[in-house]
Amino acid sequence: SQKIEQNSEALNIQEGKTATLTCNYTNYSPAYLQWYRQDPGRGPVFLLLIRENEKEKRKERLKVTFDTTLKQSLFHITASQPADSATYLCALDPLGGSARQLTFGSGTQLTVLP
Amino acid sequence: ETGVTQSPTHLIKTRGQQVTLRCSSQSGHNTVSWYQQALGQGPQFIFQYYREEENGRGNFPPRFSGLQFPNYSSELNVNALELDDSALYLCASSSGGGGTRNSGNTIYFGEGSWLTVV
Repeated sequence: SQKIEQNSEALNIQEGKTATLTCNYTNYSPAYLQWYRQDPGRGPVFLLLIRENEKEKRKERLKVTFDTTLKQSLFHITASQPADSATYLCALDPLGGSARQLTFGSGTQLTVLP
Repeated sequence: ETGVTQSPTHLIKTRGQQVTLRCSSQSGHNTVSWYQQALGQGPQFIFQYYREEENGRGNFPPRFSGLQFPNYSSELNVNALELDDSALYLCASSSGGGGTRNSGNTIYFGEGSWLTVV
């Protein structure tokens, strides 16, 4: 069955450093992979989508890579700030099928320490 | 703000009762998906509605049902509530249904409805 894992439940880093979060998947060939931010008690907020034929995508201080051979995506936040503290979710996004059904990982809780 | 509104924000129900959760999708979006998120877990897909028809379903029993109205708003109904149904229920709005038509379109989530079953 499809499986998606985010390899650490919690990550603490010092302000100004680069945070790197990992998402691995098995038994799946997604067309796209998405990253979301979720604050406590709130719904997920879309950050970035990367297509299977893209190796890297950037948006301001965020960078996502997608390696379909390794079946892995890395999510980087450069020059991290305490306001970046949140849970980050990756989601597999299929192409085709009758419904657009995202499969989420369980998230990595990032804490940026001042 | 995503333009996706859900109600109620919090509710408490007793085991065996029924609950209805509501969602208004973002203007112009004809597709609504529902997800269940247990504490400490990622959201799990329940089903999707496109143009008032269910067009995909996750691994949830039939006591989870839904509706989509002509204005594309949606309801999630859960019958015979169980303690394990306690979770955050999220509505997600997008356009184009599933498949290649919808490829790459952004999905917008509401803030969710917190359901506690006691």
